[in-house]
Amino acid sequence: DTGVSQDPRHKITKRGQNVTFRCDPISEHNRLYWYRQTLGQGPEFLTYFQNEAQLEKSRLLSDRFSAERPKGSFSTLEIQRTEQGDSAMYLCASSQDREGGYTFGSGTRLTVV
Amino acid sequence: GIQVEQSPPDLILQEGANSTLRCNFSDSVNNLQWFHQNPWGQLINLFYIPSGTKQNGRLSATTVATERYSLLYISSSQTTDSGVYFCGGSNYKLTFGKGTLLTVNP
Repeated sequence: DTGVSQDPRHKITKRGQNVTFRCDPISEHNRLYWYRQTLGQGPEFLTYFQNEAQLEKSRLLSDRFSAERPKGSFSTLEIQRTEQGDSAMYLCASSQDREGGYTFGSGTRLTVV
Repeated sequence: GIQVEQSPPDLILQEGANSTLRCNFSDSVNNLQWFHQNPWGQLINLFYIPSGTKQNGRLSATTVATERYSLLYISSSQTTDSGVYFCGGSNYKLTFGKGTLLTVNP
């Protein structure tokens, strides 16, 4: 297993465009998390899935954000009508169960111009 | 929600020195982890340590769950130890502190 994969590594987009990020977790992990990190801050929780069920969404996640995990495998995070404030590193992590250690991917760095 | 406070915010060491990083939690947690963020932004899991003490080479960690804090010890530091260290705690999803920026000079 190669760990958690995220694609793309970098994304530059114009304000108002839609973007979609993909995360492939470790195959035997049933929990998948999305976090956002801005400069000088720790990662902030966005949402998480257990298998295909999205169990919680942070209040940080406006209605422009949507996440899916079809069939409990990979996950996508879509941001519609991007704003400059969306510029950040988007991190995906997976864990085997509720109390398992997290494995993070390398992240997707989004720049909205 | 849980509040996580890390100290110190910044730490500068000479190679070979030892250091202790601290993480305090506002409430009890049953999942506590330490991470190192490398210069490329990836978070590397160092320890999953809800309680007790663990060691991995020059790094060790201790969590005192009843007093809601955890310590990360780095011994004989190397320049490759530089980066940001985060702790995260949760009852089902990790909440992170703001990190400790460690700089190890040769």
